[in-house]
Amino acid sequence: EVQLVESGGGLVQPGGSLRLSCAASGFTFSGYWMHWVRQAPGKGLVWVSKIHPDGSITTYADSVKGRFTISRDNAKNTLYLQVNSLRAEDTAVYYCARNWNGQIDYWGQGSLVTVSS
Amino acid sequence: QSALTQPASVSGSPGQSITISCTGTSSDVGGYNYVSWYQQHPDKAPKLMIYDVSKRPSGVSNRFSGSKSGNTASLTISGLQAEDEADYYCCSHAGSGTLFGGGTKLTVL
Repeated sequence: EVQLVESGGGLVQPGGSLRLSCAASGFTFSGYWMHWVRQAPGKGLVWVSKIHPDGSITTYADSVKGRFTISRDNAKNTLYLQVNSLRAEDTAVYYCARNWNGQIDYWGQGSLVTVSS
Repeated sequence: QSALTQPASVSGSPGQSITISCTGTSSDVGGYNYVSWYQQHPDKAPKLMIYDVSKRPSGVSNRFSGSKSGNTASLTISGLQAEDEADYYCCSHAGSGTLFGGGTKLTVL
């Protein structure tokens, strides 16, 4: 069974940083592109970033480019998102998701990041 | 990187059919057959309902169907049931990135 479990969210002050993690199991993690998608409270889904199976290619939404960094450790079956220079508008549930055949097929349960002073 | 356009809400009675549209451009919906649809119940993670425009994952009811014409994709739910009440999001590959629609709230009357 595919499982994606996010962790690392919490309350952070504006300008602060966090590292989100996503532990993957039930599939060959190193064979899949992976995504981060976020959802602000009461709002829709917004794609954030994705990473190649070997970590060599990364892409970002314009809204987070230069502040967020996606990475992965295939030995640990773990996906990461380093989020820096946080703003109030970054407050959201952050989902880790698996890419299959060009689309997202499995999602984690999400990790809430709240940016507030 | 503008979001795909979906109606904010749709509604229907049990047993009826509804269709949710998703409009993009030739750089996303119109340019690829990587269009997917997700169902999200309150405080839950999204669930894949349709992929490759019109294919259903194993376990998804055949009451759900997808199609595409030009830059607009559509999700049709037939034989509406109370459990279908949820938010629905379309999604498309868009070159180096991925785009979601703004979401549509389905109310089963």
